[in-house]
Amino acid sequence: RKEVEQDPGPFNVPEGATVAFNCTYSNSASQSFFWYRQDCRKEPKLLMSVYSSGNEDGRFTAQLNRASQYISLLIRDSKLSDSATYLCVVRRWGANNLFFGTGTRLTVIP
Amino acid sequence: GAGVSQSPSNKVTEKGKDVELRCDPISGHTALYWYRQSLGQGLEFLIYFQGNSAPDKSGLPSDRFSAERTGGSVSTLTIQRTQQEDSAVYLCASSLGREGLKDTQYFGPGTRLTVL
Repeated sequence: RKEVEQDPGPFNVPEGATVAFNCTYSNSASQSFFWYRQDCRKEPKLLMSVYSSGNEDGRFTAQLNRASQYISLLIRDSKLSDSATYLCVVRRWGANNLFFGTGTRLTVIP
Repeated sequence: GAGVSQSPSNKVTEKGKDVELRCDPISGHTALYWYRQSLGQGLEFLIYFQGNSAPDKSGLPSDRFSAERTGGSVSTLTIQRTQQEDSAVYLCASSLGREGLKDTQYFGPGTRLTVL
């Protein structure tokens, strides 16, 4: 079983829509959680960290459910510039590296 | 300030040749990571350097892969006797080396390696 699993999409949504991505992780020793954004042929960039209590950054809201080992990202009022691949990322206690999902592709349509 | 830089940006090589990929981390970052991203795959961890500690090589896929970090800064990833399955984007990241959520990894633009 993969460390991190995501629905690859693609998600095609109109401008202004609300879209949600989900992600599950397999290792209960996972400690830190992130969403990264990756534009086509570019490097991943940190979008936001995910805190246990849930957190919001403008139009973006991240949630963590440790009991279900589940992470979500909600994007409200989608913009054309939100089109990208969203990577669910986990760091496990005692591990040096990050574990990445394969990403969910989002296209926001005019 | 300057981000993580990598060179070359693209490398095309013939099967069986050796290649060297370079990474310059962000100044002051003690931790350095190499990952690779194959088409349609998630990022795969290769190796991790932290200060003067022995590197974590647990992600290297074979003994054809090796990496060095000189003077705690620049790192070189070497792939010997390249195979077609080595074709991927090789991404370097660096971080301050702190525990937990505050240790954000910043990625370089990657080197796209194509083995013919």
